[in-house]
Amino acid sequence: AQSVTQPDIHITVSEGASLELRCNYSYGATPYLFWYVQSPGQGLQLLLKYFSGDTLVQGIKGFEAEFKRSQSSFNLRKPSVHWSDAAEYFCAVGYLAGTSYGKLTFGQGTILTVHP
Amino acid sequence: NAGVTQTPKFRILKIGQSMTLQCTQDMNHNYMYWYRQDPGMGLKLIYYSVGAGITDKGEVPNGYNVSRSTTEDFPLRLELAAPSQTSVYFCASGVDYGYTFGSGTRLTVV
Repeated sequence: AQSVTQPDIHITVSEGASLELRCNYSYGATPYLFWYVQSPGQGLQLLLKYFSGDTLVQGIKGFEAEFKRSQSSFNLRKPSVHWSDAAEYFCAVGYLAGTSYGKLTFGQGTILTVHP
Repeated sequence: NAGVTQTPKFRILKIGQSMTLQCTQDMNHNYMYWYRQDPGMGLKLIYYSVGAGITDKGEVPNGYNVSRSTTEDFPLRLELAAPSQTSVYFCASGVDYGYTFGSGTRLTVV
């Protein structure tokens, strides 16, 4: 069965500092990979996704993520964090095809705190 | 406004009571999903549907039921509520993994 691990439960950074959130997945075939963001009391919003092609994908709000097959990773990065980026971030993996198509498996989430 | 609408936003249930969480989407998506979110656990799939009249179990279906009589609606039924069902419930719809999430229902069972 596929699984997603986000090793960091909570990360604190200063505003303006760079950010990297880690995500590792366990999946046999080429996965569909996603990062979502959740602000307090809100639903999840898609930041970016990787299906195929260029392994560096750009998303909304200045975020990017890099797919590294050799490391089974899909880490999320941002060069300069803004206070409004404080939220919880979820990595997710999806099935390519078959009866499980469309279902996502989520990581445990990483809470990001931004200090002024 | 196009999107996924969930009602109610908050609810407190007593043990053994039943309730239905409503989910409606107006994007004509065939795929719809119910997830529950517990602190530190991410989101777990409860049930999903690939179209009207077709539903299937996800990872944590016990204690829940669903139906899909129309493309727009995908209600989640809790029978005999238990404290373990205290959670935040999210409905989502999508095409090719382009999920749109509702804003959630926070349920407490006491």
